[in-house]
Amino acid sequence: AQSVTQLDSHVSVSEGTPVLLRCNYSSSYSPSLFWYVQHPNKGLQLLLKYTSAATLVKGINGFEAEFKKSETSFHLTKPSAHMSDAAEYFCVVSESLDSNSGYALNFGKGTSLLVTP
Amino acid sequence: DTEVTQTPKHLVMGMTNKKSLKCEQHMGHRAMYWYKQKAKKPPELMFVYSYEKLSINESVPSRFSPECPNSSLLNLHLHALQPEDSALYLCASSQEEREMETQYFGPGTRLLVL
Repeated sequence: AQSVTQLDSHVSVSEGTPVLLRCNYSSSYSPSLFWYVQHPNKGLQLLLKYTSAATLVKGINGFEAEFKKSETSFHLTKPSAHMSDAAEYFCVVSESLDSNSGYALNFGKGTSLLVTP
Repeated sequence: DTEVTQTPKHLVMGMTNKKSLKCEQHMGHRAMYWYKQKAKKPPELMFVYSYEKLSINESVPSRFSPECPNSSLLNLHLHALQPEDSALYLCASSQEEREMETQYFGPGTRLLVL
């Protein structure tokens, strides 16, 4: 079974400083990985996804993530945090449920990003 | 247009009530999903419809009854809910039910069961 582990439940950064949200995955093959963001009382928005085309994936709002097979990691980064980046971030892997039931998203527990002035 | 809409935004119901949540997408997607999200937790998959047929039911209690009237609509019928069912209910859709497909989420319906 595929799974993801988000290594930090909370991350706090100052506005203008870099953001690093860590995610490790567990999979027997090259998985499909996603980062979603959820602002308070909102639905989830896709930031970026990895589907083996390129190891460095660029997403919306200046975010990017690098797939590192040797480290089984898919960390999310942004060079300079904005106040509007404060939200919950989920690392997600697409998981095969069984041979007849297709795929579903398996979410990490989430990382809450706080951005201070 | 990558919008998934959900109605109502908020719902308060008693344990004996019957209510329905509605989800709509006009992106031509053939897979639609219901998730339940408790506070400070990740979403949990409830149901998946693929080509208007139920393909996944993640052992959800029968007081939740999904319905897919057509390829653009997904309903979740609620009956005799318990207070612990209070949560944010999210609908999502994707082009197909495949591994690499992006799921697009609606804003959710926040449900409170009294």
